[in-house]
Amino acid sequence: GEDVEQSLFLSVREGDSSVINCTYTDSSSTYLYWYKQEPGAGLQLLTYIFSNMDMKQDQRLTVLLNKKDKHLSLRIADTQTGDSAIYFCAEKTDSWGKLQFGAGTQVVVTP
Amino acid sequence: DAGVTQSPTHLIKTRGQHVTLRCSPISGHKSVSWYQQVLGQGPQFIFQYYEKEERGRGNFPDRFSARQFPNYSSELNVNALLLGDSALYLCASSLDSYNEQFFGPGTRLTVL
Repeated sequence: GEDVEQSLFLSVREGDSSVINCTYTDSSSTYLYWYKQEPGAGLQLLTYIFSNMDMKQDQRLTVLLNKKDKHLSLRIADTQTGDSAIYFCAEKTDSWGKLQFGAGTQVVVTP
Repeated sequence: DAGVTQSPTHLIKTRGQHVTLRCSPISGHKSVSWYQQVLGQGPQFIFQYYEKEERGRGNFPDRFSARQFPNYSSELNVNALLLGDSALYLCASSLDSYNEQFFGPGTRLTVL
Protein backbone atom coordinates (compact mmCIF):
# COMPACT_ATOMS: atom_id res chain seq x y z
CA GLY A 1 0.00 0.00 0.00
CA GLU A 2 0.96 3.63 -0.37
CA ASP A 3 -0.94 5.29 2.47
CA VAL A 4 0.76 7.89 4.63
CA GLU A 5 -1.33 8.91 7.62
CA GLN A 6 -1.10 11.92 9.91
CA SER A 7 -3.24 13.37 12.64
CA LEU A 8 -5.11 16.38 11.29
CA PHE A 9 -4.65 19.00 14.00
CA LEU A 10 -2.31 19.96 16.82
CA SER A 11 -2.59 22.90 19.18
CA VAL A 12 0.47 23.92 21.20
CA ARG A 13 1.42 26.81 23.45
CA GLU A 14 4.26 29.10 22.47
CA GLY A 15 7.50 27.90 24.05
CA ASP A 16 6.34 24.29 24.41
CA SER A 17 7.52 21.39 22.26
CA SER A 18 5.37 20.11 19.38
CA VAL A 19 5.36 16.51 18.25
CA ILE A 20 3.81 15.65 14.90
CA ASN A 21 3.31 11.99 14.09
CA CYS A 22 3.13 10.09 10.83
CA THR A 23 2.71 6.43 9.88
CA TYR A 24 3.54 4.91 6.54
CA THR A 25 2.88 1.52 5.05
CA ASP A 26 5.64 0.80 2.54
CA SER A 27 8.59 -0.91 4.20
CA SER A 28 10.72 -0.22 1.14
CA SER A 29 10.71 3.53 1.81
CA THR A 30 14.19 4.93 1.31
CA TYR A 31 13.84 8.52 2.47
CA LEU A 32 11.21 10.20 4.63
CA TYR A 33 10.64 13.93 4.52
CA TRP A 34 8.98 16.70 6.49
CA TYR A 35 7.65 19.72 4.62
CA LYS A 36 6.00 22.89 5.97
CA GLN A 37 3.28 24.80 4.13
CA GLU A 38 2.13 28.26 5.18
CA PRO A 39 -1.19 29.67 3.93
CA GLY A 40 -1.19 30.33 0.18
CA ALA A 41 2.39 29.16 -0.23
CA GLY A 42 4.30 26.21 -1.64
CA LEU A 43 6.04 23.54 0.41
CA GLN A 44 9.24 24.24 2.32
CA LEU A 45 11.56 21.29 2.90
CA LEU A 46 12.33 21.18 6.63
CA THR A 47 14.34 18.01 7.02
CA TYR A 48 14.60 14.41 5.91
CA ILE A 49 15.90 11.11 7.20
CA PHE A 50 17.35 8.11 5.46
CA SER A 51 15.60 4.85 6.27
CA ASN A 52 18.67 3.31 7.93
CA MET A 53 18.77 6.07 10.57
CA ASP A 54 16.84 6.23 13.84
CA MET A 55 17.18 9.91 14.61
CA LYS A 56 18.25 13.15 13.05
CA GLN A 57 18.58 16.51 14.77
CA ASP A 58 18.72 19.86 13.02
CA GLN A 59 18.62 22.89 15.34
CA ARG A 60 15.08 22.97 16.84
CA LEU A 61 13.94 19.97 14.79
CA THR A 62 14.32 16.32 15.80
CA VAL A 63 13.16 13.49 13.56
CA LEU A 64 12.61 10.04 15.03
CA LEU A 65 12.11 6.97 12.84
CA ASN A 66 10.80 3.63 14.09
CA LYS A 67 11.15 1.41 11.07
CA LYS A 68 9.66 -1.63 12.78
CA ASP A 69 6.40 0.23 13.46
CA LYS A 70 6.68 2.39 10.30
CA HIS A 71 6.32 5.47 12.48
CA LEU A 72 7.93 8.86 11.90
CA SER A 73 7.76 11.88 14.17
CA LEU A 74 8.88 15.49 14.04
CA ARG A 75 9.59 17.31 17.29
CA ILE A 76 9.83 21.10 17.23
CA ALA A 77 11.49 22.50 20.35
CA ASP A 78 10.53 25.92 21.74
CA THR A 79 7.61 26.30 19.33
CA GLN A 80 7.06 29.85 18.07
CA THR A 81 4.04 31.55 16.48
CA GLY A 82 5.91 31.44 13.16
CA ASP A 83 5.75 27.65 13.35
CA SER A 84 1.98 27.77 12.79
CA ALA A 85 1.47 26.00 9.46
CA ILE A 86 0.50 22.68 7.90
CA TYR A 87 3.18 20.00 8.16
CA PHE A 88 3.37 17.15 5.67
CA CYS A 89 5.32 13.96 5.94
CA ALA A 90 6.25 12.22 2.70
CA GLU A 91 7.94 8.99 1.75
CA LYS A 92 10.01 8.10 -1.26
CA THR A 93 9.70 4.45 -2.18
CA ASP A 94 10.73 4.22 -5.80
CA SER A 95 14.24 4.26 -7.20
CA TRP A 96 13.33 7.59 -8.76
CA GLY A 97 11.72 10.59 -7.13
CA LYS A 98 7.98 10.14 -6.61
CA LEU A 99 6.92 11.41 -3.17
CA GLN A 100 3.84 10.05 -1.42
CA PHE A 101 2.39 12.64 0.97
CA GLY A 102 0.13 12.45 3.97
CA ALA A 103 -2.89 14.75 4.28
CA GLY A 104 -1.00 17.14 6.54
CA THR A 105 -1.17 18.18 10.22
CA GLN A 106 -2.31 21.72 10.95
CA VAL A 107 -0.29 23.11 13.83
CA VAL A 108 -1.69 26.13 15.67
CA VAL A 109 0.59 27.89 18.14
CA THR A 110 -1.16 29.94 20.80
CA PRO A 111 0.47 32.68 22.91
CA ASP B 1 19.92 32.31 -5.46
CA ALA B 2 16.50 32.10 -7.07
CA GLY B 3 14.30 29.23 -6.01
CA VAL B 4 11.81 27.36 -8.14
CA THR B 5 9.58 29.79 -10.04
CA GLN B 6 6.13 29.09 -11.46
CA SER B 7 3.81 31.06 -13.69
CA PRO B 8 1.15 32.21 -13.60
CA THR B 9 0.39 32.49 -9.89
CA HIS B 10 -3.36 32.36 -10.38
CA LEU B 11 -5.53 31.27 -13.29
CA ILE B 12 -9.27 31.08 -13.87
CA LYS B 13 -10.60 28.88 -16.68
CA THR B 14 -13.95 27.42 -17.70
CA ARG B 15 -14.82 23.78 -18.20
CA GLY B 16 -13.55 22.31 -21.45
CA GLN B 17 -10.72 24.80 -21.86
CA HIS B 18 -7.02 24.03 -22.00
CA VAL B 19 -4.33 25.35 -19.64
CA THR B 20 -0.51 25.50 -19.69
CA LEU B 21 1.45 25.96 -16.47
CA ARG B 22 5.15 26.77 -16.44
CA CYS B 23 8.02 26.01 -14.10
CA SER B 24 11.67 27.05 -13.93
CA PRO B 25 13.84 24.88 -11.69
CA ILE B 26 16.64 25.98 -9.40
CA SER B 27 19.80 26.68 -11.40
CA GLY B 28 21.76 23.45 -11.84
CA HIS B 29 18.77 21.18 -11.16
CA LYS B 30 17.98 18.79 -13.98
CA SER B 31 14.80 17.14 -12.68
CA VAL B 32 11.31 18.62 -12.40
CA SER B 33 8.28 17.01 -10.78
CA TRP B 34 4.65 18.15 -10.87
CA TYR B 35 2.10 17.65 -8.10
CA GLN B 36 -1.59 18.50 -7.72
CA GLN B 37 -2.82 19.66 -4.32
CA VAL B 38 -6.57 19.79 -3.87
CA LEU B 39 -7.77 21.97 -0.99
CA GLY B 40 -7.43 20.17 2.33
CA GLN B 41 -5.30 17.33 0.99
CA GLY B 42 -1.65 16.50 0.51
CA PRO B 43 0.03 16.86 -2.88
CA GLN B 44 -0.52 14.06 -5.40
CA PHE B 45 2.25 13.15 -7.83
CA ILE B 46 1.53 13.79 -11.53
CA PHE B 47 4.84 13.57 -13.46
CA GLN B 48 8.59 13.59 -13.08
CA TYR B 49 11.02 14.60 -15.82
CA TYR B 50 14.77 14.24 -15.87
CA GLU B 51 17.00 15.33 -18.73
CA LYS B 52 13.90 15.93 -20.88
CA GLU B 53 12.63 12.39 -20.45
CA GLU B 54 9.59 11.29 -18.44
CA ARG B 55 10.79 9.24 -15.45
CA GLY B 56 7.45 8.63 -13.83
CA ARG B 57 3.73 9.26 -14.11
CA GLY B 58 1.06 9.26 -11.43
CA ASN B 59 -2.53 8.10 -11.63
CA PHE B 60 -3.87 10.97 -13.74
CA PRO B 61 -5.85 10.80 -17.00
CA ASP B 62 -4.31 11.39 -20.43
CA ARG B 63 -5.72 14.92 -20.37
CA PHE B 64 -2.62 15.72 -18.34
CA SER B 65 0.68 15.97 -20.20
CA ALA B 66 4.02 17.60 -19.61
CA ARG B 67 7.38 18.21 -21.18
CA GLN B 68 10.82 19.43 -20.22
CA PHE B 69 12.93 21.75 -22.33
CA PRO B 70 16.70 21.79 -22.95
CA ASN B 71 17.11 24.50 -20.31
CA TYR B 72 15.33 22.12 -17.84
CA SER B 73 12.23 24.30 -17.49
CA SER B 74 8.95 22.47 -17.80
CA GLU B 75 5.33 22.87 -18.85
CA LEU B 76 2.28 21.05 -17.56
CA ASN B 77 -0.68 20.94 -19.93
CA VAL B 78 -4.23 20.02 -19.01
CA ASN B 79 -6.87 19.58 -21.72
CA ALA B 80 -10.66 19.52 -21.47
CA LEU B 81 -10.68 21.03 -17.98
CA LEU B 82 -13.11 19.68 -15.42
CA LEU B 83 -14.34 21.35 -12.23
CA GLY B 84 -12.34 18.76 -10.28
CA ASP B 85 -9.10 20.02 -11.81
CA SER B 86 -9.33 23.09 -9.57
CA ALA B 87 -6.28 22.85 -7.33
CA LEU B 88 -2.85 24.23 -6.47
CA TYR B 89 -0.34 22.86 -8.98
CA LEU B 90 3.12 22.55 -7.51
CA CYS B 91 6.40 22.16 -9.31
CA ALA B 92 9.45 20.76 -7.55
CA SER B 93 13.03 20.64 -8.74
CA SER B 94 15.92 18.42 -7.72
CA LEU B 95 19.50 17.91 -8.81
CA ASP B 96 18.56 14.61 -10.36
CA SER B 97 15.59 12.30 -9.98
CA TYR B 98 16.86 10.87 -6.66
CA ASN B 99 17.69 13.93 -4.60
CA GLU B 100 15.47 15.97 -2.30
CA GLN B 101 12.84 18.08 -4.01
CA PHE B 102 12.40 21.83 -3.56
CA PHE B 103 8.98 23.25 -4.31
CA GLY B 104 7.87 26.41 -6.00
CA PRO B 105 5.01 28.63 -4.76
CA GLY B 106 2.48 26.90 -7.01
CA THR B 107 -0.14 27.97 -9.54
CA ARG B 108 -3.69 28.23 -8.21
CA LEU B 109 -6.07 26.99 -10.95
CA THR B 110 -9.78 27.61 -10.63
CA VAL B 111 -12.12 25.93 -13.13
CA LEU B 112 -15.62 27.43 -13.35
